[in-house]
Amino acid sequence: QTVVTQEPSFSVSPGGTVTLTCGLTSGSVSPINYPSWFQQPPGQAPRTLIYTTNTRSSGVPGRFSGSILGNKAALTITGAQADDDSNYYCALYMGRGVWVFGGGTKVTVL
Amino acid sequence: QVRLQESGPGLVKPSETLSLTCTVSGGSVFTTNYNWAWVRQPPGKGLEWIGSLYRNGFTSYNPSLESRVTMSTGMSKNHFSMQLNSVTAADTAIYYCARLVRLPASDDNWFDPWGQGTLVTVSS
Repeated sequence: QTVVTQEPSFSVSPGGTVTLTCGLTSGSVSPINYPSWFQQPPGQAPRTLIYTTNTRSSGVPGRFSGSILGNKAALTITGAQADDDSNYYCALYMGRGVWVFGGGTKVTVL
Repeated sequence: QVRLQESGPGLVKPSETLSLTCTVSGGSVFTTNYNWAWVRQPPGKGLEWIGSLYRNGFTSYNPSLESRVTMSTGMSKNHFSMQLNSVTAADTAIYYCARLVRLPASDDNWFDPWGQGTLVTVSS
């Protein structure tokens, strides 16, 4: 069974930088997993931030960027703002139409 | 701009079938390169992919739910639906529909946008 791993939580100061990662319990994340990242504030629906590793969805600020770092996908927030206080989920495409979500990372901006 | 809205009963009894519809406004479910998906989120927990419905009729389901779930578009160009049978309390969740964009002749695909979600509670 494929398990996608994310850090449970991170704290970042306003204006600071934080990098979240998305990995696999067995194997490495690669571009053919088409990593996506989603932001979900409490009580709201998910919003797509990044898809296909590093493409920002329409309207997403430039302070959000995606990449592959080592054997994981990564989401970097550069110059964090209070509005970025939220839950972040990644999703990986495993082929044959199958997607797996990570457990999510709670980012606190303080 | 495409918008999605989930609808269905907020309460379902154990062992019964959960049926949800996603209404697509500003577009058609039959548009080239657009496919459709369902994702759920139990209260206080993370997101779980339920399955995807492709324009050519192909479906792909989460292996943990495959024996109980069915997705379809029917004849309407503005709706697609999901049924989950033999529900238990573990199926209590917010259910989201999303568009799954897929590039032609490629596996590159992504979810965008999402509906607002609908809470379904399984209880007698």
